[in-house]
Amino acid sequence: ILNVEQSPQSLHVQEGDSTNFTCSFPSSNFYALHWYRWETAKSPEALFVMTLNGDEKKKGRISATLNTKEGYSYLYIKGSQPEDSATYLCSCRDMRFGAGTRLTVKP
Amino acid sequence: NAGVTQTPKFQVLKTGQSMTLQCAQDMNHEYMSWYRQDPGMGLRLIHYSVGAGITDQGEVPNGYNVSRSTTEDFPLRLLSAAPSQTSVYFCASSSSYNNEKLFFGSGTQLSVL
Repeated sequence: ILNVEQSPQSLHVQEGDSTNFTCSFPSSNFYALHWYRWETAKSPEALFVMTLNGDEKKKGRISATLNTKEGYSYLYIKGSQPEDSATYLCSCRDMRFGAGTRLTVKP
Repeated sequence: NAGVTQTPKFQVLKTGQSMTLQCAQDMNHEYMSWYRQDPGMGLRLIHYSVGAGITDQGEVPNGYNVSRSTTEDFPLRLLSAAPSQTSVYFCASSSSYNNEKLFFGSGTQLSVL
């Protein structure tokens, strides 16, 4: 993997569903992995910065894991709510971003 | 605490015009950067700076210039606007390159006719 890649591109879930999505990145020369939440018509806001292999971070119903050896991070949302609807971005090498996963939570 | 202040919020230019997007931060951050956001492409890095007097190119630098004469300010200049530069532009800053979270400005919606 040469760049930061995110999957899926978009996701539609029902309120109350748990969901997860993936950020893949080059495993060589790893510094840090960032997750951001970006609501429509607003600016991206940082969720997590992860630096260590095996790291797990949690903020409320949102958590993230990191595997630097294989070059991926998962973001999990437990019991999705309509207010979780946003684009979730990850950033890795050289502060460059993936294209994001657009999450829509239907009431 | 103002954080990252970006101006203007909206701008319409004609092809060939020049303009400067302003970005200022009051957090004494060393790292500052400019991104553009286009549909389906997330945020793409235009230029960045790791400190006053130091700038470098990102993924899509063509058609843009930057300078960093002070820690606080990082203006982005469009030399001769083109319709392909129609986009939403975000300025961001961080206390260090790579390892600390970015703080974003509110964005500038630019249309080039």
